[in-house]
Amino acid sequence: IVLTQSPGTLSLSPGEGATLSCRASQPISSSYLAWYQQRPGQPPKLLIYGTSSRATDIPDRFSGSGSRTGFTLTISRLEPEDFAVYYCQQYATSPLTFGGGTKVEIK
Amino acid sequence: QVQLLEESGGGIVQPGRSLRVSCAASGFTFSSYAMHWVRQAPGKGLEWVAIISYDGNNRYYADSVKGRFTISRDNSKNTLYLQMNSLRAEDTAVFYCVRDRGITGSWKWYFDLWGRGTLVTVSA
Repeated sequence: IVLTQSPGTLSLSPGEGATLSCRASQPISSSYLAWYQQRPGQPPKLLIYGTSSRATDIPDRFSGSGSRTGFTLTISRLEPEDFAVYYCQQYATSPLTFGGGTKVEIK
Repeated sequence: QVQLLEESGGGIVQPGRSLRVSCAASGFTFSSYAMHWVRQAPGKGLEWVAIISYDGNNRYYADSVKGRFTISRDNSKNTLYLQMNSLRAEDTAVFYCVRDRGITGSWKWYFDLWGRGTLVTVSA
């Protein structure tokens, strides 16, 4: 399954909201979609699993939604530490695959 | 402290040669978790490489590395390994040791703990 993330880059200011898209090449169960955040020079960090469940200690400004082929990560109000690259990942079918990433940069 | 630390092995290697990277786990019951390797080419996205079950009895690989890479573990040493043979330039990447979110016999296939990664460069 190919995951296509858009936009490639999102330029926003702190305090604004962000909407990141992840489209799958074929339908996947919403139980099997995760999101990760990767800050520069750091490993990825799990944010969301099962499309909408927040991982441990993830603030509630992060939320996930979607179904079948369209999934969304929403950040309600961007904090300075949220400027990073975000990846979606499907684990419904083998091999598990990642999207190409969306970079959220400071405008 | 719960952590994964990729240790020796990362570095520069010539095409066709071999390299083994290892990862030390601490702060959790290593033997209860399936473990993965995930890689990231410089400036690129993430690619899953391999998984090994909590007891080492089951292993699966990405097609891109099947037959060349071997994942293994030593639960007595809390250590995960990746033996890489017949290395190619396209294997150049940061290799991350990663914990599966599931526990014991339950594989979730997503990842809740990542090491900091070790850079493997394949170049003549």
